[in-house]
Amino acid sequence: GAVVSQHPSWVICKSGTSVKIECRSLDFQATTMFWYRQFPKQSLMLMATSNEGSKATYEQGVEKDKFLINHASLTLSTLTVTSAHPEDSSFYICSAHTDTQYFGPGTRLTVL
Amino acid sequence: KQEVTQIPAALSVPEGENLVLNCSFTDSAIYNLQWFRQDPGKGLTSLLLIQSSQREQTSGRLNASLDKSSGRSTLYIAASQPGDSATYLCAVGADSSYKLIFGSGTRLLVRP
Repeated sequence: GAVVSQHPSWVICKSGTSVKIECRSLDFQATTMFWYRQFPKQSLMLMATSNEGSKATYEQGVEKDKFLINHASLTLSTLTVTSAHPEDSSFYICSAHTDTQYFGPGTRLTVL
Repeated sequence: KQEVTQIPAALSVPEGENLVLNCSFTDSAIYNLQWFRQDPGKGLTSLLLIQSSQREQTSGRLNASLDKSSGRSTLYIAASQPGDSATYLCAVGADSSYKLIFGSGTRLLVRP
C-alpha cells in the first residue's frame, strides 16, 4: 500500500521556539493532506486540511498563525508550530489522500 | 455537527474469544466509515473501509458492518489473538472532502 512518512518522529524543544514537521507521500501524489493532533489517551482531532498550491483550511478553534501549514508540492506538506508552549506538546499525525487516506507514523512533540 | 462515539472505551478478553466493538454517529448522512488500528505511540493502520452504499466489509478475521439509518457500525473480531491488542478507532467521512471525524477509540487487550 501507499506510504506516508513523517519527520522527525519525535522532537523536544524549549518553550518559545518553532518546530517544523514534514509529511511526505513516498510513492504517490496527494493534492490533499490532513494534519491531526492527538493528546494522550484521546482520539485524533483534525487541525487543518492542506491543499497543494493553496492556503490550508483550518478547523474551528485552531490558530492558523500558530500552526503554519505549507503544501509546496504534491508529495510534501509541512506543519510549523510557532512559538511552541508546553500545552502544544502532543502527537501530530498527518495523512495523505489518494484512493483512501494513508496515515503517517506520527511525530511526538514535547515542549519543555 | 457530527459526533462519533465508541463503546466500550476499554475491553479485556482472553485469547480466542470473538468480540464486537461498537461505533455510533449522530448524523446518518455520511460518505463512508473506516476502522483503524493504532498501536501505542504509532500511527494508524486502516483495517476496513465501508462506503455509504455498503452494509459490510470483511478482511480475514475482521468484519465491519454499517447501518446508516441507525447511525451504527460494529467491528467484529473473530478468534482474538494477543497481537490484536491495540486501540481501535472508528472514523466517519462526512463528505467528499475526505475529512475524517474520529471516535475516541476502544483500547483492546487480548490476554494470552
